[in-house]
Amino acid sequence: NAGVTQTPKFRVLKTGQSMTLLCAQDMNHEYMYWYRQDPGMGLRLIHYSVGEGTTAKGEVPDGYNVSRLKKQNFLLGLESAAPSQTSVYFCASSYEPPKRYEQYFGPGTRLTVT
Amino acid sequence: KQEVTQIPAALSVPEGENLVLNCSFTDSAIYNLQWFRQDPGKGLTSLLLIQSSQREQTSGRLNASLDKSSGRSTLYIAASQPGDSATYLCAVGNYGQNFVFGPGTRLSVLP
Repeated sequence: NAGVTQTPKFRVLKTGQSMTLLCAQDMNHEYMYWYRQDPGMGLRLIHYSVGEGTTAKGEVPDGYNVSRLKKQNFLLGLESAAPSQTSVYFCASSYEPPKRYEQYFGPGTRLTVT
Repeated sequence: KQEVTQIPAALSVPEGENLVLNCSFTDSAIYNLQWFRQDPGKGLTSLLLIQSSQREQTSGRLNASLDKSSGRSTLYIAASQPGDSATYLCAVGNYGQNFVFGPGTRLSVLP
């Protein structure tokens, strides 16, 4: 039982390049989330999904796209990376309400955009 | 819009001390509040989850309290150890909304 895994762990991009972050969970959770964490700030929600085939915007969605084609996977895409997207990205998953706040987190992806 | 703050931003204490971390939130209509631990370069580990109907939760040397009316939660760590060194985040869940995280308190326990 691996829990929540994220690929890759580190990545360096040049401005304008694109990439996709992969999140996978093996707990059969309905809900999945992408957060970013910047120095001195808490985690901020980028996008989330309440089930396979669904996505919704969080607090800071601009510049990111997501897809949930399979229940166990949640992909975060950056179409044209900008230095402001340098951050640590965390994926999380949970059961549906009333357990949506019992979230399990992945180890994070550290992204640097130069 | 819910806002969550944590004071202090950083704290350094000698081993063995009891300490208190604070979390404040602006909207008291919460569903629950959760304390997480984050080690450098790692993800978040849930420590304690307090439902809105509860006043406190305990796990080992950790005790978290919740006072909705004043918009506050405290995390009490008894007999601190160097292994407790980490960043502690609180997160607040409001009904039908996503978690809002505080910025965290970075704790260093010196041997």
